[in-house]
Amino acid sequence: RKEVEQDPGPFNVPEGATVAFNCTYSNSASQSFFWYRQDCRKEPKLLMSVYSSGNEDGRFTAQLNRASQYISLLIRDSKLSDSATYLCVVNMEDTGRRALTFGSGTRLQVQP
Amino acid sequence: EPEVTQTPSHQVTQMGQEVILRCVPISNHLYFYWYRQILGQKVEFLVSFYNNEISEKSEIFDDQFSVERPDGSNFTLKIRSTKLEDSAMYFCASGQLSSGNTIYFGEGSWLTVV
Repeated sequence: RKEVEQDPGPFNVPEGATVAFNCTYSNSASQSFFWYRQDCRKEPKLLMSVYSSGNEDGRFTAQLNRASQYISLLIRDSKLSDSATYLCVVNMEDTGRRALTFGSGTRLQVQP
Repeated sequence: EPEVTQTPSHQVTQMGQEVILRCVPISNHLYFYWYRQILGQKVEFLVSFYNNEISEKSEIFDDQFSVERPDGSNFTLKIRSTKLEDSAMYFCASGQLSSGNTIYFGEGSWLTVV
């Protein structure tokens, strides 16, 4: 089983749509969770950390379900500029490995 | 806003040659990382560095790779004898804490081995 698994997409949505991405992780003792955004041939950029209680930042809402080992990202009112690959990232500290583990990413294309 | 800077942005090298990729982490950060991303694949961890030594490395980081912080500002990744499969984008990153904390990535060095 992959450590961090995401639907690769692409998700093609019209401007203004709401879109949700899901991610599952294999290590139940993982402690830190993030969503990064990556534009084509660019570096990953932190979009938001994901907290147990869920958190929101403007149009973006992240949720964590530890029991199901599942993380989600909701984007409301999609903009053309939201087109990118969204990376689910997990820190699996209990394995002794503190480096971040990346999912393969979900590609979003917002269309006019 | 402080940022991680990397040089070169793109390097083409012949198979078997040595390559050094350079990074200047954010100045008050203590933890430094190298990740790589082969075209079309996911970002993969290579190595982390703290207090002038490697704190963790992946199975990818074999004997052909080494890291150094020679002068307190630069953080370098050396690939001793490049192979075709080393062609990838190499990202340097830095952070203030070892885990559970945000790390910031540089723009990457695109390495092409021919």
